Amino acid sequence: GAVVSQHPSRVICKSGTSVKIECRSLDFQATTMFWYRQFPKQSLMLMATSNEGSKATYEQGVEKDKFLINHASLTLSTLTVTSAHPEDSSFYICSAGGQGYFNQPQHFGDGTRLSIL
Amino acid sequence: AQKVTQAQTEISVVEKEDVTLDCVYETRDTTYYLFWYKQPPSGELVFLIRRNSFDEQNEISGRYSWNFQKSTSSFNFTITASQVVDSAVYFCALVLSGGSYIPTFGRGTSLIVHP
Repeated sequence: GAVVSQHPSRVICKSGTSVKIECRSLDFQATTMFWYRQFPKQSLMLMATSNEGSKATYEQGVEKDKFLINHASLTLSTLTVTSAHPEDSSFYICSAGGQGYFNQPQHFGDGTRLSIL
Repeated sequence: AQKVTQAQTEISVVEKEDVTLDCVYETRDTTYYLFWYKQPPSGELVFLIRRNSFDEQNEISGRYSWNFQKSTSSFNFTITASQVVDSAVYFCALVLSGGSYIPTFGRGTSLIVHP
């Protein structure tokens, strides 16, 4: 079946570092990818919708300059957490949909656990 | 606006017990999809089931079963003879057929199965 690959699975870095997370659709073309953030013991919070070839659509309250999203191809979207600080520590997870994906479950990556020291 | 409510924050059972996880949704749309996902401690989201709004048949898959009732806007999930490996957070989600297809997630129910 369709697979979404997310890399890296875990990042530990110092405050001030920028961190890039990749989300790839492995066997289908994803015109749209979604980025979520999940705090411990909470639900997934949609951060932004990434559209191939155009600017991402950010949810209210999400800083565009802090969380840079690039969706340069139909199989790859990246989320860059710029100048990360401890409060950015969280679990980030992406999802993607293929053609006619409204009729299919969204496919999720395995998530990236980001820890900023 | 749509909403998904999982009123049970945490459920604790002993192995082999049956357990039902509740999900109540709200939407004015007549065409929509409901999902259940499992999130084990490792973090990945595992798709369990998708149900469209026109199909109210209950479904059974091994020890898992789902009860979809439009009259009460509920899509409950039952695990029969629970096992320790069922310990996870379970999310119910709603997707509308028109628009962005972004799922609305419930807050999740943490299931702990003790040996």
